[in-house]
Amino acid sequence: NAGVMQNPRHLVRRRGQEARLRCSPMKGHSHVYWYRQLPEEGLKFMVYLQKENIIDESGMPKERFSAEFPKEGPSILRIQQVVRGDSAAYFCASSPVRGLGEQYFGPGTRLTVT
Amino acid sequence: GIQVEQSPPDLILQEGANSTLRCNFSDSVNNLQWFHQNPWGQLINLFYIPSGTKQNGRLSATTVATERYSLLYISSSQTTDSGVYFCAVRNTGNQFYFGTGTSLTVIP
Repeated sequence: NAGVMQNPRHLVRRRGQEARLRCSPMKGHSHVYWYRQLPEEGLKFMVYLQKENIIDESGMPKERFSAEFPKEGPSILRIQQVVRGDSAAYFCASSPVRGLGEQYFGPGTRLTVT
Repeated sequence: GIQVEQSPPDLILQEGANSTLRCNFSDSVNNLQWFHQNPWGQLINLFYIPSGTKQNGRLSATTVATERYSLLYISSSQTTDSGVYFCAVRNTGNQFYFGTGTSLTVIP
């Protein structure tokens, strides 16, 4: 049973470009969470999605960031017009149930903005 | 949100030593997990332990939910235990709140 998959593992973008990060949850999981980890810090929640629905985006910056989890395919975290401050590790987690369920994390995507 | 404090922030151990990592949280929780972030950045699930005690090999964890803390015990530490240990909690909301971690270095 494959774990949570994220790609790419490393992404380099110049300032002003767009970054697209992909996450495929574990088989049987329909709940996806995105977190951001800045250097030397813990993870901070960004957004929680189910298929075709954004349930909670309270941690998402108001501008340039968006997320989706379509009926088919992986969840996508999209960052438009990246800036140096967006450089971080972005982790995706999935769980089979909402609320009490254990979350399983992917390996992360390390975004570097030059 | 819930405040999560971990201690100590940094820990250096000789191989074979034991250690205890602590996680305090500011509100009642119904979900608590311990993770190990290895030197390559990957997050490994260690324990899902909203209450009680669990053991897995050289690691064990105890959560006393009524007193709002959890402990992670590492016995007979090995160099492969090096990395950052995170505690994360959740109550009725959607998100996990992470502590800032304990950075462990095990030297041979």
